[in-house]
Amino acid sequence: QSALTQPPSASGSLGQSVTISCTGTSSDVGDYNYVSWYQNHPGKAPKLMIHEVNKRPSGVPDRFSGSKSGNTASLTVSGLQAEDEADYYCCSYAGSNNLVFGGGTKLTVL
Amino acid sequence: EVQLLESGGGLVQPGGSLRLSCTASGFTFTNYAMIWVRQAPGKGLEWVSAISGGGTNTYYADSVKGRFTISRDNSKNTLYLQINSLRAEDTALYYCAKVLQLWQIRPPDYWGQGTLVTVSS
Repeated sequence: QSALTQPPSASGSLGQSVTISCTGTSSDVGDYNYVSWYQNHPGKAPKLMIHEVNKRPSGVPDRFSGSKSGNTASLTVSGLQAEDEADYYCCSYAGSNNLVFGGGTKLTVL
Repeated sequence: EVQLLESGGGLVQPGGSLRLSCTASGFTFTNYAMIWVRQAPGKGLEWVSAISGGGTNTYYADSVKGRFTISRDNSKNTLYLQINSLRAEDTALYYCAKVLQLWQIRPPDYWGQGTLVTVSS
């Protein structure tokens, strides 16, 4: 049950786009379309931003989008806003009723 | 509105035990599997355990297997995590979370605010 690999940090200027990767294996990300992304502001509960690779829950801005290729899932934030600055985590179903999370990416809006 | 409220965290000595609770509201509790996730200071999220909606089936990360026990009381809409033989590396913020899909253990949608467990002598 190794953690999914995310870059520790990412950054972009206001209005620009940034993409955060989440790399797993053929036993988790590569084998299932159950990849979710969470936004975590300090002191607050994580918030679901994307589920099932590319589905956006009601209320999440369409600036957030998800995709997957092979063993790597990606979260793209377009039109960066100051409030997007947070930690982002990916999570994948890993079979046999197990889940695995990524190590997290700190997104800085310049 | 879905709400999850954890409690039971605190300071405990190595080797000690704690029982965490998570009270749920705003959804049909018995229809959804529930999970516990923890976050050690300065670290990422780690899936700890999951339990089916009826409470019959339980699952654990290898790092906690044999020491942690997940359970639920559907009559009280409450999820539990019994933590025994605590180690310093168990120090973390423990979140309970509701899974998104009906009947299946999959990534969660709603999370609580977490309860802090500190293991120290």
